[in-house]
Amino acid sequence: QKEVEQNSGPLSVPEGAIASLNCTYSDRGSQSFFWYRQYSGKSPELIMFIYSNGDKEDGRFTAQLNKASQYVSLLIRDSQPSDSATYLCAVKPPGGGNKLTFGTGTQLKVEL
Amino acid sequence: GAVVSQHPSRVICKSGTSVKIECRSLDFQATTMFWYRQFPKQSLMLMATSNEGSKATYEQGVEKDKFLINHASLTLSTLTVTSAHPEDSSFYICSDTLAGSWGYTFGSGTRLTVV
Repeated sequence: QKEVEQNSGPLSVPEGAIASLNCTYSDRGSQSFFWYRQYSGKSPELIMFIYSNGDKEDGRFTAQLNKASQYVSLLIRDSQPSDSATYLCAVKPPGGGNKLTFGTGTQLKVEL
Repeated sequence: GAVVSQHPSRVICKSGTSVKIECRSLDFQATTMFWYRQFPKQSLMLMATSNEGSKATYEQGVEKDKFLINHASLTLSTLTVTSAHPEDSSFYICSDTLAGSWGYTFGSGTRLTVV
């Protein structure tokens, strides 16, 4: 079982719709969770982090964490073509210092 | 988070030569720098963790004699790919973090092509 799993996609949504990206993790003791956006040929950029159960909203983005079910999701409201990218889920496992474990990413395509 | 400057952004080198990649933390003194490698359509794979003034910690399967990491100052960490081969062609990215902070900032990445 991979430590951090994501559906590779591509996930296609029409412009203006809500995109829902999901991520599951294997280590129940993980404490911190991150969503990064990576455009093709570029390095990842941090969108949000979350460490408490529930929802965290920042503009059009909402991160949702459910530690009991070991999943974290990212919702993107009013999706725009510029949101088309690969979204990487990253987890900081317990006892790993500051190292992050990344999922393989979900490719999102927002279509006009 | 800190700003991380990475260069070169792109390098093409001949097989058998060595390439040095630099990452500099501009806003903070990065005590820890992470080095990742990313092959096309794959995720980031951590190669090693470097700390100022000490030997880098390499992940399992990463050849420490091939990927030399130096972190001689608080602000600068370098990765040297020695005797590069075409299979080393990849996207190399550094990341720093302040110990205990929430921020992980990536450099802009280096696209290495070995011909």
